[in-house]
Amino acid sequence: AQKITQTQPGMFVQEKEAVTLDCTYDTSDPSYGLFWYKQPSSGEMIFLIYQGSYDQQNATEGRYSLNFQKARKSANLVISASQLGDSAMYFCAMSSTGGYQKVTFGTGTKLQVIP
Amino acid sequence: DTEVTQTPKHLVMGMTNKKSLKCEQHMGHRAMYWYKQKAKKPPELMFVYSYEKLSINESVPSRFSPECPNSSLLNLHLHALQPEDSALYLCASSQGGSMTSSSYEQYFGPGTRLTVT
Repeated sequence: AQKITQTQPGMFVQEKEAVTLDCTYDTSDPSYGLFWYKQPSSGEMIFLIYQGSYDQQNATEGRYSLNFQKARKSANLVISASQLGDSAMYFCAMSSTGGYQKVTFGTGTKLQVIP
Repeated sequence: DTEVTQTPKHLVMGMTNKKSLKCEQHMGHRAMYWYKQKAKKPPELMFVYSYEKLSINESVPSRFSPECPNSSLLNLHLHALQPEDSALYLCASSQGGSMTSSSYEQYFGPGTRLTVT
């Protein structure tokens, strides 16, 4: 069984500052994928970034980077230069070879960017 | 084009009604998904279609009936729903059609906000 844990129900960050959203996971599968999604109040889930378990380098996509520490089983999302539009719920998720189509989501972190 | 479309955006239905939710993608993805999301909770997987065949049913009550008419379309037929079924219903698609191959990211539609009265 796989499990995703997000321990920060809510976070505040000043505009233009960087923020780290925590995510830890647990799986016995040797091969898995880790994802971060953003969900604004409108409801749509927006894919942000993907990290494969065998990827040697941390994934980056624009202002988003994933701090992947395999030994610690953590996959934290770093958002640089926060913008007001970054205010949303953020979900960490994973899939594994046991069923790549079955994605497990964490409970989410609500990020609020302060002007 | 990374767009998944869903109709309708909002739906209010009584417990005796029959309605359908529709989802469409034109990315050539071979897997399509239905999720249910209650307020302030993560999405919960309901169904997965892989190459137009139902591959996962997460023990969803029979009042929810999925259908995949072709590789681009996914429907969710609703009948005799309960008020507790009120939620945001999200459709998603992904490239991978196999359970054992990496499906990479799932692309989500905007969702249908369903209210059962």
